[in-house]
Amino acid sequence: DVKVTQSSRYLVKRTGEKVFLECVQDMDHENMFWYRQDPGLGLRLIYFSYDVKMKEKGDIPEGYSVSREKKERFSLILESASTNQTSMYLCATARDRGETQYFGPGTRLLVL
Amino acid sequence: EDQVTQSPEALRLQEGESSSLNCSYTVSGLRGLFWYRQDPGKGPEFLFTLYSAGEEKEKERLKATLTKKESFLHITAPKPEDSATYLCAVLWLGYGGSQGNLIFGKGTKLSVKP
Repeated sequence: DVKVTQSSRYLVKRTGEKVFLECVQDMDHENMFWYRQDPGLGLRLIYFSYDVKMKEKGDIPEGYSVSREKKERFSLILESASTNQTSMYLCATARDRGETQYFGPGTRLLVL
Repeated sequence: EDQVTQSPEALRLQEGESSSLNCSYTVSGLRGLFWYRQDPGKGPEFLFTLYSAGEEKEKERLKATLTKKESFLHITAPKPEDSATYLCAVLWLGYGGSQGNLIFGKGTKLSVKP
């Protein structure tokens, strides 16, 4: 079974704070993804990584950055949190691009 | 214009009342279509992958089918525990860096009453 864990289930931060969301997978998958999910908008891809130290922008990368220093770990960074970044953040992993993506439990972030 | 459209947005069924959810897509060069189930406050849980028109997959009360422009998720004799949001996502040839990325529909929220 693929196991994808995210560092926090709920997080409350202040505007302007730097926020780190961490995702860890135990299946040796090459590809990792960060999405945000908002009512009425569905899941939108923020960034993805197909190898260690590699990253690619998704559809909505503005205001975010990522880090992948180790294969099993993919971090999403909000450089200066804003209220419009209040959302559910979901990490996913896949063995190869184009194969099934497996999701973590999500982090619900509230920015005040 | 949405590339992946799910209908209906919400569906209320009585226990045992079979129905179908629809996922239609406008992208060309489909490489795969994925169905997920999502419970409130949780991450999506993988259900099925379909790769070519005519393909069908089944799991318990769920059956997914694929045609050239849409997929159906059939729910036979649903139970209250089938209540969830069902998401579909398509993988297409895309262009540039988007190749290999999923495009998600907005989901169908299913409620099954006892």
